Amino acid sequence: GAVVSQHPSWVICKSGTSVKIECRSLDFQATTMFWYRQFPKQSLMLMATSNEGSKATYEQGVEKDKFLINHASLTLSTLTVTSAHPEDSSFYICSAPSGASYGTQYFGPGTRLLVL
Amino acid sequence: AQSVTQLGSHVSVSEGALVLLRCNYSSSVPPYLFWYVQYPNQGLQLLLKYTTGATLVKGINGFEAEFKKSETSFHLTKPSAHMSDAAEYFCAYLAAGNKLTFGGGTRVLVKP
Repeated sequence: GAVVSQHPSWVICKSGTSVKIECRSLDFQATTMFWYRQFPKQSLMLMATSNEGSKATYEQGVEKDKFLINHASLTLSTLTVTSAHPEDSSFYICSAPSGASYGTQYFGPGTRLLVL
Repeated sequence: AQSVTQLGSHVSVSEGALVLLRCNYSSSVPPYLFWYVQYPNQGLQLLLKYTTGATLVKGINGFEAEFKKSETSFHLTKPSAHMSDAAEYFCAYLAAGNKLTFGGGTRVLVKP
């Protein structure tokens, strides 16, 4: 099946620094990708929809200046957490829709961010 | 608003016993429904999905789910639990814009 990768798998950073997370579709093209956030023992919350060649669309309550999304190519979307603070510590997961099976999404393995 | 609700945040079953995870959806339109599994510190893996047609859907790892419109339910079952089934399970609903909306999740513990 289709594979979505994320890099890094985990990152620790100091408060105030920025962190970039990459999401790649390895064997298919994705004009759209989704970014989720998951707190411990909780469900996934959609943060934003990443659109290749255009601006991302953010869900209500998500700060677009805080979470910068760039979808520079058909296989790569990046999420940058700017000026990270401890409350931004979370598990970030991306997904990409399948072009062959409507509604099916392929998920990356996730990136765990810890802000000290 | 469209949503999915998972009844029970934790389920404990004995190895070999039936696994039953409950999911109810709210929608006036026949939905696209999914069950995903998440192992610790990993992303999500699709178990099965319902779109149209046959209401009993078979998925991977011996799981199946039945779409019941009259009950607005999409419960997930597996006849015989295995230790490897211990994980978090999410029911999800496909909303406009190809967006997935997830239920709260059910953590399955399998006892030997």
